[in-house]
Amino acid sequence: QSVLAQPPSVSGAPGQRVTISCTGSSSNIGAGYHVHWYQQLPGTAPKLLIYGNTNRPSGVPDRFSGSKSGTSASLAISGLQAEDEADYYCQSYDSSLSGYVFGTGTEVTVL
Amino acid sequence: QVQLQESGPGLVKPSETLSLTCTVSSGSISGYYWSWMRQPPGKGLEWIGYVHYGGSTSYNPSLKSRVTISVDTSKNHFSLRLGSVTAADTAVYYCARDHEQSSSSWYRAQSWFDPWGQGTLVTVSS
Repeated sequence: QSVLAQPPSVSGAPGQRVTISCTGSSSNIGAGYHVHWYQQLPGTAPKLLIYGNTNRPSGVPDRFSGSKSGTSASLAISGLQAEDEADYYCQSYDSSLSGYVFGTGTEVTVL
Repeated sequence: QVQLQESGPGLVKPSETLSLTCTVSSGSISGYYWSWMRQPPGKGLEWIGYVHYGGSTSYNPSLKSRVTISVDTSKNHFSLRLGSVTAADTAVYYCARDHEQSSSSWYRAQSWFDPWGQGTLVTVSS
């Protein structure tokens, strides 16, 4: 049972903007721990997409952006493209569990 | 660009011990923390634990009683052992590098994982 809740799925037409929420609590996101996001294409390993709440690694398109407020974080994908179809996971740290935690994961579908 | 590769048996019998190795190439294992994650088929990701190149470890409390993660700097690899496995331990196992090199608990907690190995499927079945 993950402590970071994400919607199971989101979808959008090519070119549209979609957002994925990551809802935590006072022992993880709300405690000030950073949120990071990963993209997992079908059959592949997760790949770092956003680190430190808002930062993009080199090579990640600026269509991807992250934000954090209170006990939640969000990943936005603007100008949705077919290649963005993947599962997306948030990750943070939980002081009650004394370990790193992942979100439940969100499947993005491009209509 | 550092690369990671998992290796080990793809099939383990119930009640036995799962053993995997992650070999680090194009870079040194020194200076970093290294983690194991797993993902049951069709499900989400779970952090298993990490090892520092100096040997210190931290484990997911839910698995702590069954997990050992160790490092061999001479071979530039680190290893996972998970004992008393059941079908619930069937998963793709990934190794990854922790970004944060500091030992400070606050900074450690802010860490993320990059890069990841390609993953290896381990099935627990008789």
